[in-house]
Amino acid sequence: RKEVEQDPGPFNVPEGATVAFNCTYSNSASQSFFWYRQDCRKEPKLLMSVYSSGNEDGRFTAQLNRASQYISLLIRDSKLSDSATYLCVVNNGNNRKLIWGLGTSLAVNP
Amino acid sequence: EPEVTQTPSHQVTQMGQEVILRCVPISNHLYFYWYRQILGQKVEFLVSFYNNEISEKSEIFDDQFSVERPDGSNFTLKIRSTKLEDSAMYFCASVRDGQTTQYFGPGTRLLVL
Repeated sequence: RKEVEQDPGPFNVPEGATVAFNCTYSNSASQSFFWYRQDCRKEPKLLMSVYSSGNEDGRFTAQLNRASQYISLLIRDSKLSDSATYLCVVNNGNNRKLIWGLGTSLAVNP
Repeated sequence: EPEVTQTPSHQVTQMGQEVILRCVPISNHLYFYWYRQILGQKVEFLVSFYNNEISEKSEIFDDQFSVERPDGSNFTLKIRSTKLEDSAMYFCASVRDGQTTQYFGPGTRLLVL
């Protein structure tokens, strides 16, 4: 089983749509969880951390289910500028090494 | 806002040559990382560095790779004898003590011919 697994997509949605991405991780001892966004040929940028109670940042909502080892990201009212690859990222240990999923590609269309 | 910077932005080299990729982490950060991303593939951890020594390295980080923090500001990744499969985007990241958020530099695109 891959350490961090995501559906690569692509997801093609119209502007204004709600889209959800899922991610599973294999190491039950994982400690921290993140969603990063990566634009084509650019560096990954932190979108949001994911907390056990779930958290929201504007149009973005992240959920964590430790029992199922499952992380989700919901984007509401999607904008053209949301088009990017969304990377599910897990931190397993004290040295903060990040383990990355392959990413889910999102294209928001006018 | 402070940023992680990396130089060069692009590097083209011949197979077997040595390359040094440079990073300037954010000034009050204490943990430093190198990652790479081969085109179309996932980001992969290479090495973490803290307190002037390597704290963890991946299987990719073999004897051809080394890291240094020569002067308290730069953090370098050296590849001694490049191979074709070293062609990738190399990202440096740094973290402040007590935090978990990694801040990434813009990357160096390495092409080995």
